[in-house]
Amino acid sequence: DAKTTQPPSMDCAEGRAANLPCNHSTISGNEYVYWYRQIHSQGPQYIIHGLKNNETNEMASLIITEDRKSSTLILPHATLRDTAVYYCIVRPNYGQNFVFGPGTRLSVLP
Amino acid sequence: SAVISQKPSRDICQRGTSLTIQCQVDSQVTMMFWYRQQPGQSLTLIATANQGSEATYESGFVIDKFPISRPNLTFSTLTVSNMSPEDSSIYLCSTPLVGRETQYFGPGTRLLVL
Repeated sequence: DAKTTQPPSMDCAEGRAANLPCNHSTISGNEYVYWYRQIHSQGPQYIIHGLKNNETNEMASLIITEDRKSSTLILPHATLRDTAVYYCIVRPNYGQNFVFGPGTRLSVLP
Repeated sequence: SAVISQKPSRDICQRGTSLTIQCQVDSQVTMMFWYRQQPGQSLTLIATANQGSEATYESGFVIDKFPISRPNLTFSTLTVSNMSPEDSSIYLCSTPLVGRETQYFGPGTRLLVL
């Protein structure tokens, strides 16, 4: 079973920041938070991951609460191409497979 | 990032037949995973393909239905045997890269069984 809880869907206006929440209250000390997205009919695409510090890359920022029980993925300037299902996954680093929950379907609206 | 390719990208098959899906990675990898994504659903792990040993199947998936080969460190196949319409899904292969923290997914094979 997935160890995360996400809202089933969200809307965001084009050009605005999209903030996608994820709860992972049972996360273990050695588990990382990963974010993937799946654009329709494509394989999942890696976005970002982190352990306890906030992370930023060219795609997004990841904010992890101090107690690590929740996190937020931030797409700073959403575009129509960001419309996708976003998956938040927790797992120990390297080696084990990913367990996917239902994710959040983000719709970026013009 | 790794380049992972799958063949075929899509297929339409008759019930009772079998289809073999190929997954090719452009670098040597230790582990390869096969997932299924049924229509409107999330991804479910079928099995882990281990080079040099038998695949490890998840609960609900059996070798007779989904035989897997892993002849070398860059290639794997998944066969969907004796297909029924319930096998209509997207099948994806995936691998973590050696020394990397992320896992990469192939583009998927979209299968429709009539």
